[in-house]
Amino acid sequence: DVKVTQSSRYLVKRTGEKVFLECVQDMDHENMFWYRQDPGLGLRLIYFSYDVKMKEKGDIPEGYSVSREKKERFSLILESASTNQTSMYLCASSPQGENQPQHFGDGTRLSIL
Amino acid sequence: AQSVTQLGSHVSVSEGALVLLRCNYSSSVPPYLFWYVQYPNQGLQLLLKYTTGATLVKGINGFEAEFKKSETSFHLTKPSAHMSDAAEYFCAVIMNRDDKIIFGKGTRLHILP
Repeated sequence: DVKVTQSSRYLVKRTGEKVFLECVQDMDHENMFWYRQDPGLGLRLIYFSYDVKMKEKGDIPEGYSVSREKKERFSLILESASTNQTSMYLCASSPQGENQPQHFGDGTRLSIL
Repeated sequence: AQSVTQLGSHVSVSEGALVLLRCNYSSSVPPYLFWYVQYPNQGLQLLLKYTTGATLVKGINGFEAEFKKSETSFHLTKPSAHMSDAAEYFCAVIMNRDDKIIFGKGTRLHILP
């Protein structure tokens, strides 16, 4: 079974802090994704990556950056956290190929005070 | 613009009754279609997928979905609801042969005793 592991289930940070959310997958998938999930808005894609050191902006990249130095790890960075970034963050991975489903981690519930 | 519409953000059914969750998409080419389930405080889990071939797809936990090209629909059904089916369900599509999934906003399924 594919395992996508997010480093924290719950995280509380303060406004202005730099926040790192880590995601690791163990199936050698090429593609990795970061979403945020908010009530009534569903999942919104923040950033994704098709390969090591590659990144592409999703639908809502503002206020975020990402890092993919190794194939198995995809980090989401909040450069200066703000209260409107309080949300559930979901990481996903998928193999290359046009009909491949994504596999999700359990999510990180982030609160910015 | 390509889109995925889930009719009803909340659906309630009695235990033992038929479950029907609706999903429509807009696309000029046949898409790849998915249903995911999210239990409380967890990530998304793949229920089933349609890529090619038989239009009636069976998934885990007794769920199935039928791809109807003429109706641009991929509704999810289960003959008899169980209390453990209470969760949020997301319809998703991959269109235009790329790796990005477009998610619907989700339908929360409530099971009444």
